[in-house]
Amino acid sequence: NAGVTQTPKFQVLKTGQSMTLQCAQDMNHEYMSWYRQDPGMGLRLIHYSVGAGITDQGEVPNGYNVSRSTTEDFPLRLLSAAPSQTSVYFCASRLTGLTEAFFGQGTRLTVV
Amino acid sequence: GESVGLHLPTLSVQEGDNSIINCAYSNSASDYFIWYKQESGKGPQFIIDIRSNMDKRQGQRVTVLLNKTVKHLSLQIAATQPGDSAVYFCAENTGGFKTIFGAGTRLFVKA
Repeated sequence: NAGVTQTPKFQVLKTGQSMTLQCAQDMNHEYMSWYRQDPGMGLRLIHYSVGAGITDQGEVPNGYNVSRSTTEDFPLRLLSAAPSQTSVYFCASRLTGLTEAFFGQGTRLTVV
Repeated sequence: GESVGLHLPTLSVQEGDNSIINCAYSNSASDYFIWYKQESGKGPQFIIDIRSNMDKRQGQRVTVLLNKTVKHLSLQIAATQPGDSAVYFCAENTGGFKTIFGAGTRLFVKA
């Protein structure tokens, strides 16, 4: 059982480049979320989804897009990378709104 | 290793002592609360949860207390061990769809 899998683990981008962070879960969870974690800031919610075809914005959505075409996958797209998006990104999934989240191992992104 | 959490509040305890980590949450309508543990280089891991209709829940060596009057959550770890050293986050579910995390506390256990 792989749980939540994120790829890549590390990425360096130049300012203005775009890329997609991948997230897949094999637990048949309806709820999936993306967070970013900066030093001293805890985890901040970027976007979330409550099922295939349904997404919504979190606390810090600007500069990011998401889609949810399948239950398993929830990719996060950076449209035009900026140094302020340098962070560690975590994907999470959970079965319902009242159960714990399972997190991936994270993607460390550096924008230069 | 990870550089996150450099400026987090730190709690330092002696091995074998009990630890208490506190958290203030923001939304009086939140209905579900969770504590997560994050070790260096890893994603957060679930420790214990509590629903808003409860004020205390116990697990193995851990207890969560919820005070809705003052919007306060605490995590108690009994007989703290070196393996408990990590960053601890409280999180609240607002409306069942969003999970919002607190800033976190770094626990350092002295052997």
